[in-house]
Amino acid sequence: GAVVSQHPSRVICKSGTSVKIECRSLDFQATTMFWYRQFPKQSLMLMATSNEGSKATYEQGVEKDKFLINHASLTLSTLTVTSAHPEDSSFYICSASLRGGGLAGGNEQYFGPGTRLTVT
Amino acid sequence: AQSVAQPEDQVNVAEGNPLTVKCTYSVSGNPYLFWYVQYPNRGLQFLLKYITGDNLVKGSYGFEAEFNKSQTSFHLKKPSALVSDSALYFCAVRGVSYNTDKLIFGTGTRLQVFP
Repeated sequence: GAVVSQHPSRVICKSGTSVKIECRSLDFQATTMFWYRQFPKQSLMLMATSNEGSKATYEQGVEKDKFLINHASLTLSTLTVTSAHPEDSSFYICSASLRGGGLAGGNEQYFGPGTRLTVT
Repeated sequence: AQSVAQPEDQVNVAEGNPLTVKCTYSVSGNPYLFWYVQYPNRGLQFLLKYITGDNLVKGSYGFEAEFNKSQTSFHLKKPSALVSDSALYFCAVRGVSYNTDKLIFGTGTRLQVFP
């Protein structure tokens, strides 16, 4: 099946520093990649939708200057948390949709294993 | 607007018994419906989806779900639960008519299977 990886799996950083998280589709080309945030015992909150070669579309309330998304290729998207603060500590998950994988809109998303960010 | 409801925060079932995890949805027009499972500190794994056709959809690990348009439901089922099925389950929906790939997720249901 389609595999999505994330790196790093865990990261601890100091307040005020920036952290980059990578999301890669390993065996398929992803039309679209999504970035989610998940708080403990809560559902996934979609942060942004990322299409290769174009600017990401951010959800309402998500600061685009704080959460920088770059989708440089059909297999790689990155999320950079800039000037991180303790309240940015969370579990960040990416997902990817198959390119040309069937009925438009009916493609399932394949999820990465997540990145646990702790800001001290 | 699209929405998904998972009315149960937790479902407890004994191993070997059938299990049901409930999901209802609201979209304009026809829906695409998905079930995902999440194990601790992991991303989501795709279980199954309904796009069109047969209302009973079979997925991974022996799970199945039935699309019921009149009740706007897509409950997840398994005839015989395993302890290893214990995890967090998410239902998700996307309206066919919506020009977006975004999924709307429910709040999740924690399934606990007891030996």
